[in-house]
Parts: sequence; structure tokens; C-alpha cells
Amino acid sequence: AQSVTQLDSQVPVFEEAPVELRCNYSSSVSVYLFWYVQYPNQGLQLLLKYLSGSTLVESINGFEAEFNKSQTSFHLRKPSVHISDTAEYFCAVSDSGYSTLTFGKGTMLLVSP
Amino acid sequence: EAQVTQNPRYLITVTGKKLTVTCSQNMNHEYMSWYRQDPGLGLRQIYYSMNVEVTDKGDVPEGYKVSRKEKRNFPLILESPSPNQTSLYFCASRAGGGLRQYFGPGTRLTVT
Repeated sequence: AQSVTQLDSQVPVFEEAPVELRCNYSSSVSVYLFWYVQYPNQGLQLLLKYLSGSTLVESINGFEAEFNKSQTSFHLRKPSVHISDTAEYFCAVSDSGYSTLTFGKGTMLLVSP
Repeated sequence: EAQVTQNPRYLITVTGKKLTVTCSQNMNHEYMSWYRQDPGLGLRQIYYSMNVEVTDKGDVPEGYKVSRKEKRNFPLILESPSPNQTSLYFCASRAGGGLRQYFGPGTRLTVT
């Protein structure tokens, strides 16, 4: 069985500050890792994913995440956040067979002016 | 436009009154899932389907039923809703060999 831990339920930051949203996972097999974003009153959208290869993956809107196998982590970072980044962010893990997708409890990113 | 649609978007009902939440996708995806989202618990999978007539339980299937008679539709059925099923429900789909899930807009259900 696999599980995901998002250590922070809420992360308040000021606009243009850097941010890191933490995600740790546990699994006995090789995994795929994902970050999804949920803007207010909307469904979830895929932000970025790690399947294999380079451990650093990037999204089109400036977020990046680094897969660290030894620390079983997949933290999400952005060097300078905008008000529009205010949303809930979910880390998720799947085994390589992708039979199920397990989500963390989510981290609410609150960006203020 | 590729999308997953859910109906209704909002529903208030009473304990014990059977209801169905519909989910439809227009991407010819094999794989469909239902999740519920509760504050502090994230998303938990209720049921999933890998193709027509193939369904399986997720992490929290109690009190729910599903069917997959057509590839595009995956309705969620609550035979006898109870207040602990008050939640935000999401349907999702993906291609059989794909990794990206597409989520519907959500259905907010309140059971009184």
C-alpha cells in the first residue's frame, strides 16, 4: 500500500516571496508522483508529474518539484508567487501499474499582497 | 472540447432518498473514478472502472454503488444516503495508457 503525507495544511505567504509545499510518500514499489492544483470552486488540474528520468520537473506557470528517492519526497517550489497562485495543492502517488492514485490531504496556499 | 461533466452540481436531499450523480466524458477514456473530498482528508477514491462492465472498490466504497454500461458514463448511486455522505464528489477519467486524470467540476451533496 502507498500513502502520501503533506506536512502543512496551510501555507500563508506574501506575494513575490518563495514557497515550498512539502510532500512525502511511502511505497514499497516504484512510483509515479503528481501535483494537482484546485482553484476555488473548481475541479483538480494536473500541475506536474514525475515518471522517470530527470528528478526535477517543471510546470508551465513557474512551479517545479524535485523527486528525492532517498528521502521519499516530492516537494513543490516556486521562487516568486503571485496572488493568482492561491489554491489548494494536492500531492498524489501511484504505483507504476497505475492501478490507483492516492492523494495527500492537501495544502492550502494563501498568497497575500 | 475535451471534458468531464457531472450532474447535478449541487444537491440537497434527505436521509434515505435514493439519488444518482451522473458523470460523462467525451474523450473515449477507458478508466473512470469517483472521489469524495472532505476538509482535512483530501480526496479519497470511492470506486473506479477500468472499462465497460469492469468496476472495483476504492478506499471508501461503503454506501455507494456504480455501474459502467457505456464507456462514456459512470454514474454514482447512493441507495440510502446518510448525513455522513455529505461531501464534495469528483468524477475523473483517463486513457488506459495515460497518466493524467481529467476531473469534473464537482458535485456538492448535502444529506440532511
